[in-house]
Amino acid sequence: SQTIHQWPATLVQPVGSPLSLECTVEGTSNPNLYWYRQAAGRGLQLLFYSVGIGQISSEVPQNLSASRPQDRQFILSSKKLLLSDSGFYLCAWRRGITTYEQYFGPGTRLTVT
Amino acid sequence: TQLLEQSPQFLSIQEGENLTVYCNSSSVFSSLQWYRQEPGEGPVLLVTVVTGGEVKKLKRLTFQFGDARKDSSLHITAAQPGDTGLYLCAGVHTNAGKSTFGDGTTLTVKP
Repeated sequence: SQTIHQWPATLVQPVGSPLSLECTVEGTSNPNLYWYRQAAGRGLQLLFYSVGIGQISSEVPQNLSASRPQDRQFILSSKKLLLSDSGFYLCAWRRGITTYEQYFGPGTRLTVT
Repeated sequence: TQLLEQSPQFLSIQEGENLTVYCNSSSVFSSLQWYRQEPGEGPVLLVTVVTGGEVKKLKRLTFQFGDARKDSSLHITAAQPGDTGLYLCAGVHTNAGKSTFGDGTTLTVKP
């Protein structure tokens, strides 16, 4: 069976500090991977998605970047965090070619102070 | 940007009541998913609907995809406190290569 991991679970960082969030998927190969951000009690904003190693599509201009150094690893980064970067960050992998069913990790709660 | 509007935004009911939440768009989707999310956790997939007019049942939950594939509804019969959570719909445009999520309906079922 497939599982998806995210770490850390929670993070408190000062403004201007760097960020690195990691997501790994087990039990599947060549998955499509996604990074979302979610404000409290709201929907998901797609930040980045990747269809393969080194292939990243950015959805919104922002202070963040993403990388995919290995097939089942997806990293979200920032060089200098802003207060507005606070939120709940979710990684997901996609199952299905046409139905786009997505399976989410447990998320990372980021608070920028 | 293709928008998905969910209504109501908040819903608070007593255990045993029935409810329906809606997901609407002006765009046609190739498929649509419903997810349920509990606080502090990732969304969990409930169902995928693909065909216009399709109805799927998952125990006390009934999902319907509109005939024109622009809207969907989720009906819960005899709601229980365990149904509490944020319900999200996500529409897929095949050519776009990604999903669009609605802002969700926060459901609270009181015992």
